[in-house]
Amino acid sequence: GENVEQHPSTLSVQEGDSAVIKCTYSDSASNYFPWYKQELGKGPQLIIDIRSNVGEKKDQRIAVTLNKTAKHFSLHITETQPEDSAVYFCAASVPGGSYIPTFGRGTSLIVHP
Amino acid sequence: DGGITQSPKYLFRKEGQNVTLSCEQNLNHDAMYWYRQDPGQGLRLIYYSQIVNDFQKGDIAEGYSVSREKKESFPLTVTSAQKNPTAFYLCASSPRASSYNSPLHFGNGTRLTVT
Repeated sequence: GENVEQHPSTLSVQEGDSAVIKCTYSDSASNYFPWYKQELGKGPQLIIDIRSNVGEKKDQRIAVTLNKTAKHFSLHITETQPEDSAVYFCAASVPGGSYIPTFGRGTSLIVHP
Repeated sequence: DGGITQSPKYLFRKEGQNVTLSCEQNLNHDAMYWYRQDPGQGLRLIYYSQIVNDFQKGDIAEGYSVSREKKESFPLTVTSAQKNPTAFYLCASSPRASSYNSPLHFGNGTRLTVT
């Protein structure tokens, strides 16, 4: 089955810096890659997603890039703010079958004011 | 507002007791899921259901049971057979289980503590 590796497990940055979280996946058939943000005591919420027919997608300060050849995708957050502090999860989905996304283990992002 | 409601937010039980976690959604989604979250372990799938009256085991189903009698509801029972039940439990839904390009919608979780 699909395996998703996520790095780093913890990321500490100063307010205003950029943050990058990277994920690799094992199944070349995966074609949907969502990113979730989980704030303390809450459930994960989708912040951005990308499908395999595009290489990059942006939404204000966040962007996701996908390299299908290398089987990795990354989340980029620019001009970080303290409210960006949270745990971020990547996931990958293989089409067909029962569809169950495979999640990475999460990255705890800490933005220092 | 449409969404997923998990209750209660905090739950305390004595060892050896069964406990049921509630999950209700008003998004008209067909598929529902239960995940367990432990520090540093990410999200691990317990059970999922693609349609009413049908459900499938996930990666860590031992010691848990579910039912799906209504489209809106997917309760999870943590039985006394679960060796380490203390964790944060998340319920999620998606429009259709076969919608591989649809994200999951999560509830805000129930933190279960068993002593």
